[in-house]
Amino acid sequence: SSDLTQDPAVSVALGQTVRITCQGDTLRSFYASWYQQKPGQAPVLLIYGQNNRPSGIPDRFSGSRSGNTASLTITGAQAEDEADYYCNSRDSSTSHLFGGGTKLTVL
Amino acid sequence: QVQLVQSGAEVKKPGASVKVSCRTSGYSFNAHYINWVRQAPGQGIEWMGWINPYSGGTNLPQKFQGRVTMTRDTSIATAYLELNRLKSDDTAVYYCAREAGYSSGWDTRYFDLWGRGTLVIVSS
Repeated sequence: SSDLTQDPAVSVALGQTVRITCQGDTLRSFYASWYQQKPGQAPVLLIYGQNNRPSGIPDRFSGSRSGNTASLTITGAQAEDEADYYCNSRDSSTSHLFGGGTKLTVL
Repeated sequence: QVQLVQSGAEVKKPGASVKVSCRTSGYSFNAHYINWVRQAPGQGIEWMGWINPYSGGTNLPQKFQGRVTMTRDTSIATAYLELNRLKSDDTAVYYCAREAGYSSGWDTRYFDLWGRGTLVIVSS
């Protein structure tokens, strides 16, 4: 399959830990990258590669991969983390794929 | 300042064409592919393809082949997306994004810099 599958919605209590997952065969070969998007704004890169954060991204965001599943973990979720989260990966044809997105609600 | 600056919103009629620009600054234009993605209202992100600014080569998914053209002008470090035969479901925000990760290995690519987006509305 050339798709990346995400849960449409996830919720987390303030200060708790949440994992957002992304499944797809291409993830066995290529690392996922993760993006946060708030309403009316462009996506922002959170995680890339094995588990790398761009400058300015809080260390409560981390990434991992196991088999065909990539995960974004938020440890100690904050109110400002409420947003849509997208995974992305290359595929073998040098194209890109995006997951359908996960809407995170912080309770 | 490293940034991607996109052109302004457009309103087009069905069947028309639209050309969106993405002016880059603050880095070597030839060193990073420029990707285009779009996001329809309330929907997810859809990848539309990339252009290699150095060679002008492009890679478009089959869905957009024949209807989308990606070009660049190296003299002004600007990439362009042209979408023809517009339909109402082409209404979306169109983003350009800089691809990175070339030094990290073949298995790592990501979009580290994004434009603010260009809203294209297709309506009769």
